[in-house]
Amino acid sequence: GNSVTQMEGPVTLSEEAFLTINCTYTATGYPSLFWYVQYPGEGLQLLLKATKADDKGSNKGFEATYRKETTSFHLEKGSVQVSDSAVYFCALSASSSNTGKLIFGQGTTLQVKP
Amino acid sequence: DTGVSQDPRHKITKRGQNVTFRCDPISEHNRLYWYRQTLGQGPEFLTYFQNEAQLEKSRLLSDRFSAERPKGSFSTLEIQRTEQGDSAMYLCASSEQGTGGTEAFFGQGTRLTVV
Repeated sequence: GNSVTQMEGPVTLSEEAFLTINCTYTATGYPSLFWYVQYPGEGLQLLLKATKADDKGSNKGFEATYRKETTSFHLEKGSVQVSDSAVYFCALSASSSNTGKLIFGQGTTLQVKP
Repeated sequence: DTGVSQDPRHKITKRGQNVTFRCDPISEHNRLYWYRQTLGQGPEFLTYFQNEAQLEKSRLLSDRFSAERPKGSFSTLEIQRTEQGDSAMYLCASSEQGTGGTEAFFGQGTRLTVV
């Protein structure tokens, strides 16, 4: 079946450090891929998405590229800020069903220290 | 529009009691989803509505769980005879009808604690 695997957390970085959070997926066909973020006390928010191979999603300095050959969608940011501290979820929506149902990874907690 | 709203935000109940949660989606969205999230895990899909029709249910949704969306607007999720294992955050999301890349908007969730 379809699944998403994220790197285990927590990830602790100093401000201005480079961030990578790994995400790989298993799915048939060409799923859509997402990164959602959950800030403390808030609901899940879409951070970025990509809907086809080699697409790059970007938002707020974060980027992720849809790599079909490695079934990956790693999240990167060149210089993190304290305000980026949150839980990050990688997710997919299968192309085989047009329901928009999301399958999530387990989440990665990011803590950025000043 | 203020986004997806869920009520209550927190619920503590005794084992064996019934509970009901409400979700008000973004008004023009015809798709509505319920997810469950336990501590340290990502959300898991429970069920999906398109307008008032419940089109998909996860095997996680035992017969103690029932969801409705009577007029294609708000939705309710009821859990009968609650068990301690039902303790979790219950999330509601809504989206426009579209392709698989359509963004889903989430509410802040209802945290259920069964004691």
